[in-house]
Amino acid sequence: EVQLAESGGGLVKPGGSLRLSCKISGFTFRDHNMNWVRQAPGKGLEWVSSITSSGSYIYYADSVKGRFTISRDNAKNSLYLQMNSLRAEDTAVYYCAREGAYGDSEIDYWGQGTLVTVSS
Amino acid sequence: DIQMTQSPSFLSASVGDRVTITCRASQSISRYLNWYQQKPGKAPKLLIYVASNLQSGVPSRFSGSGSGTDFTLTISSLQPEDFATYYCQQSYATPPWTFGQGTKVEIK
Repeated sequence: EVQLAESGGGLVKPGGSLRLSCKISGFTFRDHNMNWVRQAPGKGLEWVSSITSSGSYIYYADSVKGRFTISRDNAKNSLYLQMNSLRAEDTAVYYCAREGAYGDSEIDYWGQGTLVTVSS
Repeated sequence: DIQMTQSPSFLSASVGDRVTITCRASQSISRYLNWYQQKPGKAPKLLIYVASNLQSGVPSRFSGSGSGTDFTLTISSLQPEDFATYYCQQSYATPPWTFGQGTKVEIK
């Protein structure tokens, strides 16, 4: 069974940092591109960042570029999101999300999400 | 970046109704359009990928069509468990991926 389990969310002050982790199981992690997608309270889905299967290519939304860093450890079956200089508008549920293996880039599995709240 | 516009934003329908949701891209995305269903407090679930391919385990009452800039998600006979919010998402070429603003389907 495919599983993605996020952790690391919580309450942080503006300007602070947080590191999210996503532990995967049930599939071959190194075969899949991975994403972080967020959802602010009561709002829609917003793509945040992507990393290719080998880690060779990385992409960011303009809203987080220069502040967030995505990474992965294929040996540990884990995806990460380092979030620095956090702002109130970064408050959201953050989902770890897997792309399908056949190159069409649909997101076929999602974690349950972890809530990040940025507030003083 | 490619912008995705869904319509309507809100839809009120009855069980058994045929429901259609539209998604328009700001430029051609070929057929790289995916549809997701999200229920309150839950992660999104993939329904349709590459415009018209039904994800494994998704009921056949869901279907998708379109290419280029205009796409449609159809639910042929709305069931109680289908009341949710639906999002389209483009996955053309390379990121940034973008989502539509969502369509909330509620019970009439």
